[in-house]
Amino acid sequence: AQSVTQPDIHITVSEGASLELRCNYSYGATPYLFWYVQSPGQGLQLLLKYFSGDTLVQGIKGFEAEFKRSQSSFNLRKPSVHWSDAAEYFCAVGAKGGYQKVTFGTGTKLQVIP
Amino acid sequence: DTGVSQDPRHKITKRGQNVTFRCDPISEHNRLYWYRQTLGQGPEFLTYFQNEAQLEKSRLLSDRFSAERPKGSFSTLEIQRTEQGDSAMYLCASSSPGTAYYNEQFFGPGTRLTVL
Repeated sequence: AQSVTQPDIHITVSEGASLELRCNYSYGATPYLFWYVQSPGQGLQLLLKYFSGDTLVQGIKGFEAEFKRSQSSFNLRKPSVHWSDAAEYFCAVGAKGGYQKVTFGTGTKLQVIP
Repeated sequence: DTGVSQDPRHKITKRGQNVTFRCDPISEHNRLYWYRQTLGQGPEFLTYFQNEAQLEKSRLLSDRFSAERPKGSFSTLEIQRTEQGDSAMYLCASSSPGTAYYNEQFFGPGTRLTVL
């Protein structure tokens, strides 16, 4: 069964500092991997996705993520955080085939301090 | 393209009452998903429709829950005899038909249910 672990429930960073959010997945083959962001009162917005190919994936809002098969990880990074990045971030793994079930992690809440 | 819409956005009900939520997917999307998100958790899959057929249901979907998509367009999720444990955000997502790679799921804003 596919699963996702986000070990950090809550992270606080200063505005302008770099950010890395951790994600580890479990899946029997090469997975589809996603990072979503959810702001209060908003739906989930896709930041970026990995299907295959280049292991460094660029997304919207200046985010990037790196797929490391050997570590079963897909960490999200941003070089300089803005106050508007404060939100909850979810890593997810998608199954290939069938109805392409997506399994989400428990999320990491990002707080940005001035 | 106006995105996935859900109605209502908030629902407060008393324990034991029935509630119904509606989801309108992106117009050309034939796949529709329902998820439930409780506080401090990520969304959990509930059920999946392809056109009007309900093809997959999670064990989370107890007998009190029923979902329909009668004409393959909008969908409804009904919860009968609500319990306080049903309090959650109910998210709907849709994706386009296709067989190549992964068909991205687009999420609606959700319906927040509070059961008193």
